[in-house]
Amino acid sequence: GENVEQHPSTLSVQEGDSAVIKCTYSDSASNYFPWYKQELGKGPQLIIDIRSNVGEKKDQRIAVTLNKTAKHFSLHITETQPEDSAVYFCAASRIGTASKLTFGTGTRLQVTL
Amino acid sequence: DTGVSQDPRHKITKRGQNVTFRCDPISEHNRLYWYRQTLGQGPEFLTYFQNEAQLEKSRLLSDRFSAERPKGSFSTLEIQRTEQGDSAMYLCASSPRASGIETQYFGPGTRLLVL
Repeated sequence: GENVEQHPSTLSVQEGDSAVIKCTYSDSASNYFPWYKQELGKGPQLIIDIRSNVGEKKDQRIAVTLNKTAKHFSLHITETQPEDSAVYFCAASRIGTASKLTFGTGTRLQVTL
Repeated sequence: DTGVSQDPRHKITKRGQNVTFRCDPISEHNRLYWYRQTLGQGPEFLTYFQNEAQLEKSRLLSDRFSAERPKGSFSTLEIQRTEQGDSAMYLCASSPRASGIETQYFGPGTRLLVL
């Protein structure tokens, strides 16, 4: 089955700096890669996703890049703000089947003033 | 569209008791998923419904766990004879009918503590 590894487990940046979180996956058949943000006591909230036919996707301060050959994808957050502080999860799945998500272990992002 | 809702939000029970959780998906979403999340980990897939049919179950779902989705609307997850190892956040997610749109929207979760 699919295995997703995520690094780093914790990340502290100063407000206004950029943050980068990286994930690798094992199943070459995976073709859908969402990123979720989870705040304390809440369920995961989708922030951006990318399909394998696209190498990069951007939404305001958030971007995701995908390297299918190397089987890794990354989340980039620019101009970080204190409200970006949360736990971020990457995930992978195959579109068209059960589409169950396999998640990474999460990155706790702390944006300091 | 009110989002995915789950009830209860918190449950404390004693070992050996049975518990049942409910999930109401987003209206018109035909796919419904249950995940379990333990402290410091990402969610892990438990089971999946398309309409009322339960199409896949994880090996994590022991015979003490049962899930239903009567009439293809809300779903229930029951844990019988709870054990301390069942303590976790139980998350429900739904995704829409449209082919090729795989986005899963999560509810707030039910946090279970087994004493």
